[in-house]
Amino acid sequence: AQKITQTQPGMFVQEKEAVTLDCTYDTSDPSYGLFWYKQPSSGEMIFLIYQGSYDQQNATEGRYSLNFQKARKSANLVISASQLGDSAMYFCAMRVDDMRFGAGTRLTVKP
Amino acid sequence: EAQVTQNPRYLITVTGKKLTVTCSQNMNHEYMSWYRQDPGLGLRQIYYSMNVEATDKGDVPEGYKVSRKEKRNFPLILESPSPNQTSLYFCASSLIAHRGGTEAFFGQGTRLTVV
Repeated sequence: AQKITQTQPGMFVQEKEAVTLDCTYDTSDPSYGLFWYKQPSSGEMIFLIYQGSYDQQNATEGRYSLNFQKARKSANLVISASQLGDSAMYFCAMRVDDMRFGAGTRLTVKP
Repeated sequence: EAQVTQNPRYLITVTGKKLTVTCSQNMNHEYMSWYRQDPGLGLRQIYYSMNVEATDKGDVPEGYKVSRKEKRNFPLILESPSPNQTSLYFCASSLIAHRGGTEAFFGQGTRLTVV
């Protein structure tokens, strides 16, 4: 069975600093996708970044990068140069056939 | 505009009164799914569908029904709602790609309160 674990219920970061949000996963399937979504206070789910299990390089999208360590089954999200608008809930997800999510991490960016 | 549309956005109902939350997508996606979001528990999958007439249970299917008679629609039915089904519900859809490589698109959410 698939399982996604986010162990940080809440994180704080100073504006303009980098922050890492942790995500570990478990699956026996060799083919899978890993995703991060952002949920601001308005409630919508915003797709941020994707990493395929066979991708050799870590995914990057602007200030977002995914630190993919396959042997450790971890897919941490790194946000560089944090902005006040980054304050939100962040969800890690894994997809084999269907998509499952972790419990989320609430990030607060301090001015 | 490509989108997933859920209705209603907000609903307050009484225990035992059957209700349906509709979900429709205009992107010709095969995959559709329902999640409920509760504080500290993240998004938990209720049911999902890989195509028309193909539905499967997720992690928390008890008390819910779904149907997938058309590709674009995936309604969530609560036959006899109870207060523990008070939650924020999301519908999502996506293409089905090899190696899980397509992101899911989400509806705006339905805030359901059962009193």
